[in-house]
Amino acid sequence: GAGVSQSPSNKVTEKGKDVELRCDPISGHTALYWYRQSLGQGLEFLIYFQGNSAPDKSGLPSDRFSAERTGGSVSTLTIQRTQQEDSAVYLCASSSDWGGSLNEQFFGPGTRLTVL
Amino acid sequence: GESVGLHLPTLSVQEGDNSIINCAYSNSASDYFIWYKQESGKGPQFIIDIRSNMDKRQGQRVTVLLNKTVKHLSLQIAATQPGDSAVYFCADLDSGGSNYKLTFGKGTLLTVNP
Repeated sequence: GAGVSQSPSNKVTEKGKDVELRCDPISGHTALYWYRQSLGQGLEFLIYFQGNSAPDKSGLPSDRFSAERTGGSVSTLTIQRTQQEDSAVYLCASSSDWGGSLNEQFFGPGTRLTVL
Repeated sequence: GESVGLHLPTLSVQEGDNSIINCAYSNSASDYFIWYKQESGKGPQFIIDIRSNMDKRQGQRVTVLLNKTVKHLSLQIAATQPGDSAVYFCADLDSGGSNYKLTFGKGTLLTVNP
């Protein structure tokens, strides 16, 4: 596709349920990022994938959060046993080569998660 | 802890006026700064960036100014248009620490009145 896509666009779930959020990065982009944006707040870094390197998971807020990237392309962010404080917009971004350069991150439209 | 913040959470301007959005950062090691625009229901979109070896950078209708002495960043939008209405975020990065981990401010909501 032309840009980063995310699905679903909206997700409403009950407290305690697991959810999976999907990100399709721009074709050929080797770097992929997940952010969380709470209401009225800036973006909070969650996790970073770059090629075949070990992901930087330092931003994941708890062990209920996990993410994987299969085949160096599509990524899935999983939240287990969701809590109400997990309600937020989850944004995915991708960028081209790493190699020490500061490449523009292209963002998807986000998934709005509401935990009841 | 270190953070990037904004002076004004909201800004309302008349169409055609110039807009100035401010941002303060606290990490003295930050050497790269970006402004993003986020329209309702969309992801952030890159507007302009600046490195710490520069004081000013101009784009199309936008100018970013960097004052490293007071750790202040501003985004100037010339002849503001209704399509400029959005939330604007600044973000900073310490490329010596990480070349990808941006720290975002909370954002300023810009409203352009016709």
